[in-house]
Amino acid sequence: AQKITQTQPGMFVQEKEAVTLDCTYDTSDPSYGLFWYKQPSSGEMIFLIYQGSYDQQNATEGRYSLNFQKARKSANLVISASQLGDSAMYFCAMREAKRLNYGGSQGNLIFGKGTKLSVKP
Amino acid sequence: EAQVTQNPRYLITVTGKKLTVTCSQNMNHEYMSWYRQDPGLGLRQIYYSMNVEVTDKGDVPEGYKVSRKEKRNFPLILESPSPNQTSLYFCASSATGVGSNQPQHFGDGTRLSIL
Repeated sequence: AQKITQTQPGMFVQEKEAVTLDCTYDTSDPSYGLFWYKQPSSGEMIFLIYQGSYDQQNATEGRYSLNFQKARKSANLVISASQLGDSAMYFCAMREAKRLNYGGSQGNLIFGKGTKLSVKP
Repeated sequence: EAQVTQNPRYLITVTGKKLTVTCSQNMNHEYMSWYRQDPGLGLRQIYYSMNVEVTDKGDVPEGYKVSRKEKRNFPLILESPSPNQTSLYFCASSATGVGSNQPQHFGDGTRLSIL
């Protein structure tokens, strides 16, 4: 079963409007992190925003915000005031925290298949 | 500047000719990982390393090898490349802090074509 599901292969949005990219996840681990990355046509992966499973408030970073609904296991990315430069692939990812012996923690990042966002002028 | 550096960025080669894609990070990160990205499949993990001399298989390790002799370097080795390994490859690194909030920093990618 997929751990990260992005149900929108592609989306269009008008410049200056807001858009929501959907992401649902599946985990039984109480401690996990959710990430969104942007991949423009040039190919690099750009970290956008992070939400921890214990965070009480939704994360925000500039025009990006994360609509975190823990009971529904969803972590949708909201981009406000879309710009032409927002046209890109967007990936949702999850990391389940595994405690390491020396007190740190690590878990591998699991990615969704991505949503291609196109911003229309 | 904090970065993950991959080389080469582009490579076209032939079946069976051994190749190595290098990855180096200057952030003193313990964790490093290799992914491949294919259309419609997203990013899939090939191998990862929790620290020096500690490596483990990801979801799609067949046909690949890695090594972690130094903290900063994590090369990906294709001993006998085949056309189904044609893909876009990413190296990433992160710290192993408490909790799960350490973002992975990605290299710019290596586009590999195996003919």
